[in-house]
Amino acid sequence: DTPMTQSPSTLSASVGDRVTITCRATPSISQWLAWYQQKPGRAPKLLIYGASNLESGVPSRFSGSLSGTEFTLTISSLQPDDFATYYCQQYNYKFGQGTTLEV
Amino acid sequence: DVQLVESGGGLVQPGGSLRISCAASGFTFTSHWMSWVRQAPGKGLEWVANINQDGSVKDYVDSVKGRFTISRDNAKNSLYLQMNSLGTEDTAIYYCTREERWGQGVLVTVSS
Repeated sequence: DTPMTQSPSTLSASVGDRVTITCRATPSISQWLAWYQQKPGRAPKLLIYGASNLESGVPSRFSGSLSGTEFTLTISSLQPDDFATYYCQQYNYKFGQGTTLEV
Repeated sequence: DVQLVESGGGLVQPGGSLRISCAASGFTFTSHWMSWVRQAPGKGLEWVANINQDGSVKDYVDSVKGRFTISRDNAKNSLYLQMNSLGTEDTAIYYCTREERWGQGVLVTVSS
Protein backbone atom coordinates (compact mmCIF):
# COMPACT_ATOMS: atom_id res chain seq x y z
CA ASP A 1 0.00 0.00 0.00
CA THR A 2 1.00 3.60 -0.60
CA PRO A 3 -0.81 5.68 1.98
CA MET A 4 -1.18 9.38 1.49
CA THR A 5 -0.33 11.21 4.70
CA GLN A 6 -2.10 14.56 4.75
CA SER A 7 -1.58 17.17 7.46
CA PRO A 8 -2.88 18.89 9.39
CA SER A 9 -6.33 17.33 9.83
CA THR A 10 -7.71 20.65 11.03
CA LEU A 11 -6.35 24.13 10.47
CA SER A 12 -7.61 27.26 12.16
CA ALA A 13 -6.89 30.45 10.24
CA SER A 14 -8.17 33.93 9.53
CA VAL A 15 -9.00 35.88 6.41
CA GLY A 16 -5.78 37.14 4.85
CA ASP A 17 -3.60 34.38 6.30
CA ARG A 18 -1.22 32.30 4.20
CA VAL A 19 -1.85 28.61 4.79
CA THR A 20 -0.20 25.41 3.67
CA ILE A 21 -1.45 21.84 3.61
CA THR A 22 0.88 18.94 2.90
CA CYS A 23 0.59 15.41 1.55
CA ARG A 24 3.39 12.91 1.61
CA ALA A 25 3.54 9.88 -0.65
CA THR A 26 5.81 6.95 -0.04
CA PRO A 27 7.26 5.82 -2.32
CA SER A 28 7.42 8.63 -4.83
CA ILE A 29 4.48 9.08 -7.18
CA SER A 30 6.18 11.62 -9.42
CA GLN A 31 3.74 14.48 -10.10
CA TRP A 32 0.60 12.38 -10.23
CA LEU A 33 -1.38 14.21 -7.57
CA ALA A 34 -4.40 16.47 -7.46
CA TRP A 35 -5.91 18.75 -4.81
CA TYR A 36 -9.65 19.18 -4.29
CA GLN A 37 -11.79 21.55 -2.27
CA GLN A 38 -15.11 20.39 -0.89
CA LYS A 39 -17.87 22.27 0.86
CA PRO A 40 -20.75 20.60 2.72
CA GLY A 41 -23.34 19.14 0.39
CA ARG A 42 -21.29 19.90 -2.70
CA ALA A 43 -19.22 17.77 -5.06
CA PRO A 44 -15.42 18.08 -4.79
CA LYS A 45 -13.91 20.84 -6.88
CA LEU A 46 -10.58 20.36 -8.62
CA LEU A 47 -8.03 23.02 -7.69
CA ILE A 48 -4.62 21.70 -8.74
CA TYR A 49 -3.58 18.82 -11.01
CA GLY A 50 -0.21 17.39 -11.87
CA ALA A 51 1.05 18.64 -8.48
CA SER A 52 1.35 22.27 -9.58
CA ASN A 53 -1.05 23.06 -12.44
CA LEU A 54 -3.87 25.45 -11.58
CA GLU A 55 -7.24 24.32 -12.88
CA SER A 56 -8.96 26.78 -15.16
CA GLY A 57 -11.14 29.23 -13.26
CA VAL A 58 -9.47 28.64 -9.89
CA PRO A 59 -8.15 31.80 -8.24
CA SER A 60 -4.42 32.36 -8.45
CA ARG A 61 -4.11 32.53 -4.66
CA PHE A 62 -4.12 28.73 -4.82
CA SER A 63 -0.87 27.03 -5.77
CA GLY A 64 0.67 23.58 -5.57
CA SER A 65 4.23 22.37 -5.36
CA LEU A 66 6.32 19.24 -4.97
CA SER A 67 9.56 18.77 -3.09
CA GLY A 68 10.83 15.22 -3.04
CA THR A 69 7.80 13.19 -1.97
CA GLU A 70 6.03 16.07 -0.21
CA PHE A 71 3.23 17.87 -1.98
CA THR A 72 2.04 21.24 -0.75
CA LEU A 73 -1.13 23.21 -1.35
CA THR A 74 -0.74 26.89 -0.51
CA ILE A 75 -3.41 29.53 -0.24
CA SER A 76 -1.59 32.83 -0.32
CA SER A 77 -4.27 35.02 1.25
CA LEU A 78 -7.32 33.31 2.67
CA GLN A 79 -10.69 34.54 1.54
CA PRO A 80 -14.02 33.83 3.28
CA ASP A 81 -14.99 31.44 0.48
CA ASP A 82 -11.93 29.26 1.15
CA PHE A 83 -13.11 27.78 4.44
CA ALA A 84 -13.78 24.18 3.40
CA THR A 85 -12.25 20.71 3.46
CA TYR A 86 -9.28 19.96 1.23
CA TYR A 87 -8.15 16.57 -0.06
CA CYS A 88 -5.12 15.38 -1.95
CA GLN A 89 -5.34 12.32 -4.19
CA GLN A 90 -2.82 10.22 -6.00
CA TYR A 91 -4.21 9.79 -9.48
CA ASN A 92 -6.59 6.82 -9.69
CA TYR A 93 -5.69 5.82 -6.15
CA LYS A 94 -5.88 6.85 -2.53
CA PHE A 95 -6.82 10.11 -0.89
CA GLY A 96 -5.29 11.95 1.98
CA GLN A 97 -7.36 12.06 5.15
CA GLY A 98 -8.59 15.58 4.46
CA THR A 99 -7.89 18.97 6.04
CA THR A 100 -10.72 21.06 7.40
CA LEU A 101 -9.90 24.73 7.19
CA GLU A 102 -11.86 26.64 9.78
CA VAL A 103 -12.08 30.13 11.18
CA ASP B 1 -13.16 18.08 -23.23
CA VAL B 2 -13.13 15.04 -20.99
CA GLN B 3 -16.64 13.84 -20.22
CA LEU B 4 -17.51 11.07 -17.78
CA VAL B 5 -21.18 10.27 -17.34
CA GLU B 6 -22.28 7.76 -14.72
CA SER B 7 -25.53 5.86 -14.74
CA GLY B 8 -27.24 2.94 -13.07
CA GLY B 9 -27.51 4.11 -9.50
CA GLY B 10 -30.53 3.59 -7.34
CA LEU B 11 -32.04 1.90 -4.31
CA VAL B 12 -31.08 -1.70 -3.56
CA GLN B 13 -31.78 -3.93 -0.59
CA PRO B 14 -28.99 -5.17 1.68
CA GLY B 15 -27.39 -8.23 0.18
CA GLY B 16 -28.41 -7.18 -3.30
CA SER B 17 -26.43 -6.33 -6.41
CA LEU B 18 -26.12 -3.37 -8.71
CA ARG B 19 -23.98 -2.44 -11.69
CA ILE B 20 -23.10 1.15 -12.35
CA SER B 21 -21.67 2.39 -15.62
CA CYS B 22 -19.59 5.28 -16.89
CA ALA B 23 -19.62 6.52 -20.47
CA ALA B 24 -16.38 8.26 -21.38
CA SER B 25 -15.77 10.72 -24.20
CA GLY B 26 -13.47 13.51 -25.26
CA PHE B 27 -10.23 11.55 -24.86
CA THR B 28 -8.57 8.32 -25.94
CA PHE B 29 -10.14 5.90 -23.48
CA THR B 30 -7.72 3.09 -24.21
CA SER B 31 -4.75 5.20 -23.10
CA HIS B 32 -5.82 5.74 -19.50
CA TRP B 33 -6.21 4.01 -16.19
CA MET B 34 -9.69 4.55 -14.81
CA SER B 35 -11.12 4.36 -11.33
CA TRP B 36 -14.17 4.60 -9.09
CA VAL B 37 -14.30 6.84 -6.04
CA ARG B 38 -17.12 7.13 -3.52
CA GLN B 39 -18.33 9.35 -0.75
CA ALA B 40 -20.72 8.13 1.90
CA PRO B 41 -23.04 10.67 3.54
CA GLY B 42 -21.09 12.87 5.92
CA LYS B 43 -17.84 11.02 5.24
CA GLY B 44 -14.63 11.71 3.35
CA LEU B 45 -13.62 10.70 -0.13
CA GLU B 46 -12.68 7.06 -0.63
CA TRP B 47 -10.98 5.46 -3.60
CA VAL B 48 -12.79 2.20 -4.44
CA ALA B 49 -11.10 0.52 -7.41
CA ASN B 50 -8.91 1.10 -10.43
CA ILE B 51 -8.19 -0.66 -13.71
CA ASN B 52 -5.43 -0.33 -16.26
CA GLN B 53 -5.76 0.41 -19.93
CA ASP B 54 -6.49 -3.11 -21.18
CA GLY B 55 -8.26 -4.37 -18.07
CA SER B 56 -5.52 -6.80 -17.08
CA VAL B 57 -4.63 -5.05 -13.79
CA LYS B 58 -7.21 -4.20 -11.15
CA ASP B 59 -6.98 -3.06 -7.55
CA TYR B 60 -9.56 -2.53 -4.83
CA VAL B 61 -9.88 -0.98 -1.42
CA ASP B 62 -9.92 -3.74 1.19
CA SER B 63 -13.55 -3.12 2.20
CA VAL B 64 -14.88 -4.12 -1.25
CA LYS B 65 -12.49 -6.90 -2.21
CA GLY B 66 -14.40 -10.04 -3.16
CA ARG B 67 -17.67 -8.11 -3.52
CA PHE B 68 -17.03 -5.48 -6.19
CA THR B 69 -15.61 -5.97 -9.68
CA ILE B 70 -14.32 -3.19 -11.89
CA SER B 71 -14.28 -3.74 -15.64
CA ARG B 72 -14.13 -1.83 -18.88
CA ASP B 73 -15.25 -2.20 -22.47
CA ASN B 74 -12.79 -0.32 -24.62
CA ALA B 75 -14.91 -0.80 -27.73
CA LYS B 76 -17.71 1.11 -26.00
CA ASN B 77 -15.52 3.60 -24.10
CA SER B 78 -17.23 2.43 -20.95
CA LEU B 79 -16.27 1.66 -17.36
CA TYR B 80 -18.30 -0.50 -15.02
CA LEU B 81 -18.54 -1.39 -11.35
CA GLN B 82 -20.39 -4.56 -10.45
CA MET B 83 -21.36 -4.44 -6.78
CA ASN B 84 -22.51 -7.60 -5.01
CA SER B 85 -23.41 -8.37 -1.41
CA LEU B 86 -24.16 -4.73 -0.82
CA GLY B 87 -24.39 -3.45 2.72
CA THR B 88 -25.68 -0.20 4.15
CA GLU B 89 -22.06 0.93 4.44
CA ASP B 90 -21.88 0.99 0.64
CA THR B 91 -24.45 3.78 0.45
CA ALA B 92 -22.62 6.62 -1.25
CA ILE B 93 -22.24 8.78 -4.29
CA TYR B 94 -20.01 6.92 -6.73
CA TYR B 95 -17.80 8.85 -9.12
CA CYS B 96 -16.08 7.63 -12.27
CA THR B 97 -12.64 9.21 -12.53
CA ARG B 98 -9.74 9.51 -14.96
CA GLU B 99 -6.76 10.92 -13.14
CA GLU B 100 -7.99 14.31 -11.89
CA ARG B 101 -11.19 14.38 -13.99
CA TRP B 102 -14.46 13.22 -12.45
CA GLY B 103 -17.99 12.57 -13.55
CA GLN B 104 -20.98 14.10 -11.81
CA GLY B 105 -21.55 11.02 -9.68
CA VAL B 106 -24.37 8.55 -9.19
CA LEU B 107 -26.15 7.81 -5.93
CA VAL B 108 -26.30 4.24 -4.66
CA THR B 109 -28.56 3.69 -1.65
CA VAL B 110 -28.56 0.39 0.18
CA SER B 111 -31.60 0.15 2.41
CA SER B 112 -34.47 -2.13 3.25
